[in-house]
Amino acid sequence: DVKVTQSSRYLVKRTGEKVFLECVQDMDHENMFWYRQDPGLGLRLIYFSYDVKMKEKGDIPEGYSVSREKKERFSLILESASTNQTSMYLCASRPRGGGMNTEAFFGQGTRLTVV
Amino acid sequence: AQSVTQLDSQVPVFEEAPVELRCNYSSSVSVYLFWYVQYPNQGLQLLLKYLSGSTLVKGINGFEAEFNKSQTSFHLRKPSVHISDTAEYFCAVYGSGNTGKLIFGQGTTLQVKP
Repeated sequence: DVKVTQSSRYLVKRTGEKVFLECVQDMDHENMFWYRQDPGLGLRLIYFSYDVKMKEKGDIPEGYSVSREKKERFSLILESASTNQTSMYLCASRPRGGGMNTEAFFGQGTRLTVV
Repeated sequence: AQSVTQLDSQVPVFEEAPVELRCNYSSSVSVYLFWYVQYPNQGLQLLLKYLSGSTLVKGINGFEAEFNKSQTSFHLRKPSVHISDTAEYFCAVYGSGNTGKLIFGQGTTLQVKP
């Protein structure tokens, strides 16, 4: 089974802290994604990466950065956490290309609270 | 740009009743469509997907969806729901290009009452 693992289920951080959310996948997928989930807004794409060291901004990149030094690991960084970044964060991975293997696999999510 | 609209934010239904969760997408030359389910405090799990072929797609837990190109819809249905189907459901479509950027709808909360 494909496994996408997020390092923390729950995090509480203080305003202004630098926060790292880690995601690891074990299926050699090229594409990895970070989403933010808020009630009534669905999932919104923050950043995605289609290869090592490659990244593209999603719909809401402000206040976030990412790092992908190895294929299996995709990190989301909050440079200076703010209370409006309190949310559920979901990581996903997917192999490159179309065809029947186009499903994306999700981690369990990290619920981040910034106080 | 691709977009997805889920027409109902909440759908209350009694146990053993049928249910339909509605999803419309913006048209594109080729479309890959998905329904995901999220149980409380969990990540997203794939229910079913439409990539090509038959427009009626069957998924897990007795759910099915019908791809309707003329109406740009991909509604999710189940003939008889259970309490355990209470969850949030997301419709999603791949954006253009080959990066696999998934675009989600706003989500529909299915509340199954006894």
